[in-house]
Amino acid sequence: AQTVTQSQPEMSVQEAETVTLSCTYDTSESDYYLFWYKQPPSRQMILVIRQEAYKQQNATENRFSVNFQKAAKSFSLKISDSQLGDAAMYFCAYRSPNTDKLIFGTGTRLQVFP
Amino acid sequence: DGGITQSPKYLFRKEGQNVTLSCEQNLNHDAMYWYRQDPGQGLRLIYYSQIVNDFQKGDIAEGYSVSREKKESFPLTVTSAQKNPTAFYLCASSRRQGGTYEQYFGPGTRLTVT
Repeated sequence: AQTVTQSQPEMSVQEAETVTLSCTYDTSESDYYLFWYKQPPSRQMILVIRQEAYKQQNATENRFSVNFQKAAKSFSLKISDSQLGDAAMYFCAYRSPNTDKLIFGTGTRLQVFP
Repeated sequence: DGGITQSPKYLFRKEGQNVTLSCEQNLNHDAMYWYRQDPGQGLRLIYYSQIVNDFQKGDIAEGYSVSREKKESFPLTVTSAQKNPTAFYLCASSRRQGGTYEQYFGPGTRLTVT
């Protein structure tokens, strides 16, 4: 069975600085999809970025980018030019191509200080 | 506006009572999901449905039931058999099975059982 591990329960960053959130996963599949979701205090889950495992190029969405290391089964999220609105819980998630099931990590709480 | 609605936002029940959580989407999505979120545990899949009149158990289906009589609706019933029903419940939908189609989440319902 696939598992997703987020080893940083909490992280903090100064406004305008860069922070990296870690995520590792375990799978025997060669093709799969990875996601980062943001959950602000409103608790609404918002998709931040997605990555297809067959793509070698790292996904980027404005200030958010990933470092996808398939061999190491690592999928970290980098937030550049951090803003106060980035403060939230961030969840890493895995999905097999054959199912609809998302497997979530336990989350990382990001604090942003002015 | 298209989206997913969950009602109510907060729900209180006495132990031993069944309670039904509402989830409606107007995104014309085929697939719908129910997740449970507990502190420090991320999101866990309860049930999901890929088409009307069909649904599958997720990882923690015991003590829950669902129905999918209409494409836009996927209510979740928390029965008295659920041993620890107090949690935050999130409903999600996606356009179709598999692929990189993201899951869109509703605002959630906080259920408290005393």
